[in-house]
This record gives sequence, C-alpha cells and structure tokens, in this order.
Amino acid sequence: NAGVIQTPRHKVTGKGQEATLWCEPISGHSAVFWYRQTIVQGLEFLTYFRNQAPIDDSGMPKERFSAQMPNQSHSTLKIQSTQPQDSAVYLCASSLDKGLGAFNYAEQFFGPGTRLTVL
Amino acid sequence: GDSVTQTEGLVTVTEGLPVKLNCTYQTTYLTIAFFWYVQYLNEAPQVLLKSSTDNKRTEHQGFHATLHKSSSSFHLQKSSAQLSDSALYYCALSESPGYQNFYFGKGTSLTVIP
Repeated sequence: NAGVIQTPRHKVTGKGQEATLWCEPISGHSAVFWYRQTIVQGLEFLTYFRNQAPIDDSGMPKERFSAQMPNQSHSTLKIQSTQPQDSAVYLCASSLDKGLGAFNYAEQFFGPGTRLTVL
Repeated sequence: GDSVTQTEGLVTVTEGLPVKLNCTYQTTYLTIAFFWYVQYLNEAPQVLLKSSTDNKRTEHQGFHATLHKSSSSFHLQKSSAQLSDSALYYCALSESPGYQNFYFGKGTSLTVIP
C-alpha cells in the first residue's frame, strides 16, 4: 500500500506566480490535511477535508490560498500570487475515520512534502 | 482553545546519555490521545509513540512516554541517545476518537553528538 503521495517534491516560482501542489491520500482514508512547515513556526495547520467536504480552513491565509478535494483520490493546494514568505515545505496527511483495534484514535499519515521556494 | 507546548528549539545531547523532550498541553476534553511524531531529514513525519491511557507507559524503538493527565504532560524519554535519533520531534494532541484534527506543538530538533 503506497503512502501519501505529494507532487511535485520541489517547486520554484517567481514572486507573483501561481503554485499548485498535489496530494494523493492513502486509499480508503476519509480525511485529508494540509500543513505548512517552517523552521520558525513548525507545523502550521492550514485546512482539512473529510469525505471530500471542507471541514476546517481556519489556518488558511484567506486571500491567496485555496484548497480543493474534487474526488477521494486527490486534493490540491493552490497559492496565487506567491510571495517569498510562502516559501516552506507543504505537507499533506491523511487518516481513517478512527483508529484500528483498541487504540481508537485515528493516526495521521504524512506525505514527504513539497518544498516551495519563491524567488 | 486547546494547545500543546513542547521544548522548543534545539536540544543537543551526547551519545549514550539520556534525553527528555517535554510536552505539555491544555484541553477541556476528558478523553484524549497523544502522539509523538519523528521526522528524519528529508523524510515525512511518522508516528513514534501514541497513547490514550492515563499513567500507562508506552514504548517504541527505545523511546518511552507516559500520559499524565494530572500534570497535563506526555514527555518523551530515552535512556541512551543514539546518533540515529537526531531528528525533528513533534508532540500532537487528539481531542476525541471521532475528531480527526490534531493540535501540534512547534517541534523540537534533537541533535545527538558523538
């Protein structure tokens, strides 16, 4: 079973350009999460889908960031008019509805991330 | 709201010596679970330990942690650090079994030196 797949692994954009990041969750997982990772802020929650429906986007910078999940096999994070401060590693994670066995808390499984560099 | 606080920044320990990474939390939920994630260089974060039982020690790969609800803590410890333990460590809180989102601490970068 393949893990969470993220493409591209690296992306370089010029200031003001658009960047689209892709995530393929683990098959059968109902939830998809997007995080931004920087040295200063650590893991910052951006947004979360459950069964393709947006549940919580409280971490998304409202003006230039958007996320979609058009089907159960992929989600996209789009950043319009990228700025140097958007440079970070963007991580996608997926999880089941609940844990398996006695431990009934769902674990999040992370992809390798997309390193975005805005020049 | 809920929050998780970790030993922030960089922790350096000499190989063979014990290491402890602190994690404390604030929550109004009674049934909670905690995860320690480890992220090696250029890899994805992965679960190292997890627990939802108060005062029960959980162990994996030589690391151990005990959830103490009385002190709101889930510290990560190892008796003898190895060079291969150098990585970024995150503590994460899950509020309830049916709620999938986590609260993550800011992460602790552990470096083990010879």
